[in-house]
Amino acid sequence: VQLVESGGDLVQPGGSLRLSCAASGFTFSDHFMDWVRQAPGKGLEWVGRIRDKTNSYTTEYAASVIGRFTISRDNSKNSLYLQMNSLNTEDTAVYYCTRGMYYYDSSGLDYWGQGTLVTVSS
Amino acid sequence: SYVLTQPPSVSVAPGQPARITCGGNNIGSKSVHWYQQKPGQAPVLIVYDDSDRPSGIPERFSGSNSGNTATLTISWVEAGDEADYSCQVWDSSSAHYVFGTGTKVTVL
Repeated sequence: VQLVESGGDLVQPGGSLRLSCAASGFTFSDHFMDWVRQAPGKGLEWVGRIRDKTNSYTTEYAASVIGRFTISRDNSKNSLYLQMNSLNTEDTAVYYCTRGMYYYDSSGLDYWGQGTLVTVSS
Repeated sequence: SYVLTQPPSVSVAPGQPARITCGGNNIGSKSVHWYQQKPGQAPVLIVYDDSDRPSGIPERFSGSNSGNTATLTISWVEAGDEADYSCQVWDSSSAHYVFGTGTKVTVL
């Protein structure tokens, strides 16, 4: 199993950015996928989730990003995306792509990518 | 919103046990997962569903969960266990994952 994030960059406040996560080594379409972030020197913060086909690819978002961030997936490309709009300095963090261990919400996140850094600054 | 509280730090001598708590309202009714994160690295799942270990995780790591407290125990600490440890649950009422505040384990 491998998860490789890309797209992190320096962006100005109010700007947008799209992160990607390339998955391999497992049946991507069968798994829930999540984004988790970590601000510099801080703890882990869950960003959001997209479920699998059986669960109609429904999404959930943390209160801090709802209405600004959108999670999507392309199973044909084994890829996960995070579209981030209206970015502010509090969104500065390393963003991790993670895999849900089982096909239900309360399962753990058993694989993590190495992360991609998003810096929001003028 | 659901809150998970961990001690900021735990210090332990090599060969001694370490216990890291994760407090939450009626957390015993939820499945708790634990992650280890070493500096500059991504987190690693070390305990899931309160007390199960993924393959490759040493038996020294174990978990328990009851009432308002979940506990991660390292039976005997090694220098390589120095890391940040975070607990996590799924809060079904909000349909959100929640992470604990994190505990830094220092090996003396």
